Amino acid sequence: AQSVTQLGSHVSVSEGALVLLRCNYSSSVPPYLFWYVQYPNQGLQLLLKYTTGATLVKGINGFEAEFKKSETSFHLTKPSAHMSDAAEYFCAVRPSYGNNRLAFGKGNQVVVIP
Amino acid sequence: KAGVTQTPRYLIKTRGQQVTLSCSPISGHRSVSWYQQTPGQGLQFLFEYFSETQRNKGNFPGRFSGRQFSNSRSEMNVSTLELGDSALYLCASSGGTGGSYEQYFGPGTRLTVT
Repeated sequence: AQSVTQLGSHVSVSEGALVLLRCNYSSSVPPYLFWYVQYPNQGLQLLLKYTTGATLVKGINGFEAEFKKSETSFHLTKPSAHMSDAAEYFCAVRPSYGNNRLAFGKGNQVVVIP
Repeated sequence: KAGVTQTPRYLIKTRGQQVTLSCSPISGHRSVSWYQQTPGQGLQFLFEYFSETQRNKGNFPGRFSGRQFSNSRSEMNVSTLELGDSALYLCASSGGTGGSYEQYFGPGTRLTVT
């Protein structure tokens, strides 16, 4: 079974400061890892994904994440926060083979302070 | 390509009634998954359909059911609605099963049970 832990339901960051959202996972098989963003009254939009290969992955809107197998982590970062980054962010894991079932973390609500 | 569409976007039902939600995947996608999102439980997997067959099912009671048609469109049905079924129901489509296919989400159907 797969599971995801995201600590800190609400994260406040100043405009221009580093955004860091932590994600730790557990998986019984090699995982695929994803970060999604959700704006109010909308569905989920894929930010980035790790499948195989390079452990540092770059996504949309200046976000990137690094897969660290030894730490079972997939933390999301952005060097400089923008007001438009205010949203809820979800880390998700699914097995690298078999079904498409995503297991999500509880999410981080990001507030950007001007 | 058009994205994932879900109808209706908003729905209000009374306890004890039943409801059917519809999802049209991205053209060419054969896998459709359904998720329930609530403030308390977060995002939870309901079930996945691939080529009209249910491939995987989450831990929800039998009141929750689904189906997929030959054109990959999917419906989910909830019978004997309970207050706790109030949630945002998200549908996601992907190009296949297994592999590195990411899931693309629709805007969701907001169900309110009174």
